[in-house]
Amino acid sequence: QVTLKESGPALVAPTQTLTLTCVLSGFSLSTDGTRVSWIRQTPGKALEWLARIDWDDDKFYRPSLKTRLSISKDTSKNQVVLTMTNMDPEDTGSYFCARSQGSYDRASGYYINHYYFDHWGQGTLVTVSS
Amino acid sequence: EIVLTQSPGTLSLSPGERATLSCRASRSISSDYLAWYQQKPGQALRLLIFGTSNRATGIPDRFSGSGSGTDFTLTISGLEPEDFAVYYCQQYGRAPLYTFGQGTKLEIK
Repeated sequence: QVTLKESGPALVAPTQTLTLTCVLSGFSLSTDGTRVSWIRQTPGKALEWLARIDWDDDKFYRPSLKTRLSISKDTSKNQVVLTMTNMDPEDTGSYFCARSQGSYDRASGYYINHYYFDHWGQGTLVTVSS
Repeated sequence: EIVLTQSPGTLSLSPGERATLSCRASRSISSDYLAWYQQKPGQALRLLIFGTSNRATGIPDRFSGSGSGTDFTLTISGLEPEDFAVYYCQQYGRAPLYTFGQGTKLEIK
């Protein structure tokens, strides 16, 4: 059974750094084509994709937040970590991790079908306040 | 950035009725890149439809997706009590890689 579970502090002070962990179960991020993203849901901006890390350690970030975000993986622990620096009250919201699974298309030589999130964690609520 | 606009914001219907949810993209996207999700309070988001019209594993056939270019639709035929939730469309693109619509709340009339 594929599951993802987020954890992290419920309360973060403004200007501090947020560190979130996503523990993966039922699949491995070392499997070809596997990708894990972080997505947040804030009152002001609904669902917002933040970052993605792939099985081959490729990393992608939301351009507007790129300078504040860092994503990494620990394959031995089967987990993904997101850090966000300089937290602001506008960053208050629920943070989710989600899997997208690509499959290799021999004809094109590319991975396909990784365009959506087939499994999500339940999310962790983060409040930014002093 | 491709912007997805969902309408209506809220849809009030009764069980048994048909729901039609719209998702409009600010420019044309590949039908491979459009997905729909369901969100209920306190639960993980659930993938319903991928590639515009393909039902995800375990999704009942009362859920269907259609569309192309900039206009996409999620249809729920014969609403069940458990279908009342918030629905989001999502597209895959570049910079940022993924964007979501603002959601449609389907509520019991």
